[in-house]
Amino acid sequence: DARVTQTPRDKVTEMGQEVTMRCQPILGHNTVFWYRQTMMQGLELLAYFRNRAPLDDSGMPKDRFSAEMPDATLATLKIQPSEPRDSAVYFCASGLGTGEGTGELFFGEGSRLTVL
Amino acid sequence: AQSVTQLGSHVSVSEGALVLLRCNYSSSVPPYLFWYVQYPNQGLQLLLKYTSAATLVKGINGFEAEFKKSETSFHLTKPSAHMSDAAEYFCAVSRSGYSTLTFGKGTMLLVSP
Repeated sequence: DARVTQTPRDKVTEMGQEVTMRCQPILGHNTVFWYRQTMMQGLELLAYFRNRAPLDDSGMPKDRFSAEMPDATLATLKIQPSEPRDSAVYFCASGLGTGEGTGELFFGEGSRLTVL
Repeated sequence: AQSVTQLGSHVSVSEGALVLLRCNYSSSVPPYLFWYVQYPNQGLQLLLKYTSAATLVKGINGFEAEFKKSETSFHLTKPSAHMSDAAEYFCAVSRSGYSTLTFGKGTMLLVSP
């Protein structure tokens, strides 16, 4: 059963600490997205990749956030240093961005981050 | 540019009543349209999708949606609500075939006994 896998599921950390979230997209998918969900802002797109290349990270605070895809099976989202306002659920999603697929995204279960 | 507007951040229905969640879209090209559902503490799951075939699309759990180009709408309906339908529902639009979805702000469906 193909699915997107995210780790950790829950993370509690203190302000100023580095946080790294990881995502394993579905095998064969060439687009990977990072979303952040909060009560106030809803679902926000942070960054996305196609064929491991970053296409858009305009939704991400550049000074503290970074997103990478070291290889096709791993995407990472790093926050350094973390702040209480970063507390949210972070979702990774993958899909086929070839123009021939149906365009749907498959979501992981999310990483809940709490920064104290 | 593409966008979706979901009318109503919260919708309350009684168990057994009709569910209607509204979504209007804006797209400069033929859109692909989606409804996703999110249960508490879970990721988003695809409920149904419109990909330029039949305008009436049936999804999981008895939900369906109708694409109306003249009204730029893609409303989600279910004839009879069940307690287990209580969740947040997101409408999304993409350029045909590409996975760059633009999501609406979501509608929380509350179902009372």
